[in-house]
Amino acid sequence: EPEVTQTPSHQVTQMGQEVILRCVPISNHLYFYWYRQILGQKVEFLVSFYNNEISEKSEIFDDQFSVERPDGSNFTLKIRSTKLEDSAMYFCASSEWRSNQPQHFGDGTRLSIL
Amino acid sequence: AQKITQTQPGMFVQEKEAVTLDCTYDTSDQSYGLFWYKQPSSGEMIFLIYQGSYDEQNATEGRYSLNFQKARKSANLVISASQLGDSAMYFCAIKSGGGADGLTFGKGTHLIIQP
Repeated sequence: EPEVTQTPSHQVTQMGQEVILRCVPISNHLYFYWYRQILGQKVEFLVSFYNNEISEKSEIFDDQFSVERPDGSNFTLKIRSTKLEDSAMYFCASSEWRSNQPQHFGDGTRLSIL
Repeated sequence: AQKITQTQPGMFVQEKEAVTLDCTYDTSDQSYGLFWYKQPSSGEMIFLIYQGSYDEQNATEGRYSLNFQKARKSANLVISASQLGDSAMYFCAIKSGGGADGLTFGKGTHLIIQP
């Protein structure tokens, strides 16, 4: 069964450094998402991406964040200058074009900011 | 704004018993979808079941069923014949009708199945 893949599984970064989290969505999916989950808390929506542009973003997704689809398969989340509070699990998800289709999640990248 | 409320932070259930996980929601949208995800201790998010706001019948997927009561704005997950492997966090989520809209999650219920 096709799946969303995320790399790396764990990223440790010094505060103030840039970090790029990578995702390969399911190949025939058209909508892509990033979520984060701070340890012990609920999953929070960051941004959705469709047709090579951002469709929707939450208040969390400020100027420090950006997303890109650099080629036909990868979908990336960049955090420009990381802060301690960016430490979280980051999930990528993708879905088909129909709104009633589930979003399939990757296994996540655990980001630790030192 | 949409909101999901899960009032059971934790539940202990005996193996083979049925369990109901509560979820209430709030939305001003007429068209929306409700989802349940399972998060084992390993951390991944596994899709379980979906219910559309216009679906007349309750959704079922194997041992999972969704008790959808639209007037009460509730979408409870029922797991029949629970198994040890069902121990996990369970999240209810809502999404409006647009394809690119993000999911709004509840805080989750930590379910522990006891032998």
